[in-house]
Amino acid sequence: SQTIHQWPATLVQPVGSPLSLECTVEGTSNPNLYWYRQAAGRGLQLLFYSVGIGQISSEVPQNLSASRPQDRQFILSSKKLLLSDSGFYLCAWSVPGAAGELFFGEGSRLTVL
Amino acid sequence: DQQVKQNSPSLSVQEGRISILNCDYTNSMFDYFLWYKKYPAEGPTFLISISSIKDKNEDGRFTVFLNKSAKHLSLHIVPSQPGDSAVYFCAAGFQKLVFGTGTRLLVSP
Repeated sequence: SQTIHQWPATLVQPVGSPLSLECTVEGTSNPNLYWYRQAAGRGLQLLFYSVGIGQISSEVPQNLSASRPQDRQFILSSKKLLLSDSGFYLCAWSVPGAAGELFFGEGSRLTVL
Repeated sequence: DQQVKQNSPSLSVQEGRISILNCDYTNSMFDYFLWYKKYPAEGPTFLISISSIKDKNEDGRFTVFLNKSAKHLSLHIVPSQPGDSAVYFCAAGFQKLVFGTGTRLLVSP
């Protein structure tokens, strides 16, 4: 069966510090991978989307970047965090070519102070 | 530009009654619609979906209705149970999903 894990689950970072959130998927090959963010009082906003190694689509301009160094690994990064980067970050995967269903990780709560 | 809207931030229902959660969308190109359930500090879990070629899909206590002319979908939960208390997100798209802002459902005993 397929599983998805992301870490760390919680982190508190000062403004201006770097960020690295990691996500891995097991039990499937060549998944589509996603990073979403849920900000306070808002819905889930798609940040990045990847259909393969090294292929990243950025959905919104922002202070963050994503990388996919391996087929089932997706990393969300920032060189210098802003207060507005605080939120709940969710990694997800889907079957390429299949309609709709995303499978989400447990989420990472980021607080920037 | 909010393409998927859930205008009710919260809904309170008594156990055993029907819960109706609503969602509106603006993009007529959306061809697949889903509902997700989310507990605090957890990732959303898939609940039920519907293709744009259908107007109803049922799975146990959960039924999703799609009205394409009105660009509206709804989730019915019958009967509602306290364990259904969570935030419900509707989503639309094909591979890249656009999510609504969520409706917090509280089912009281």
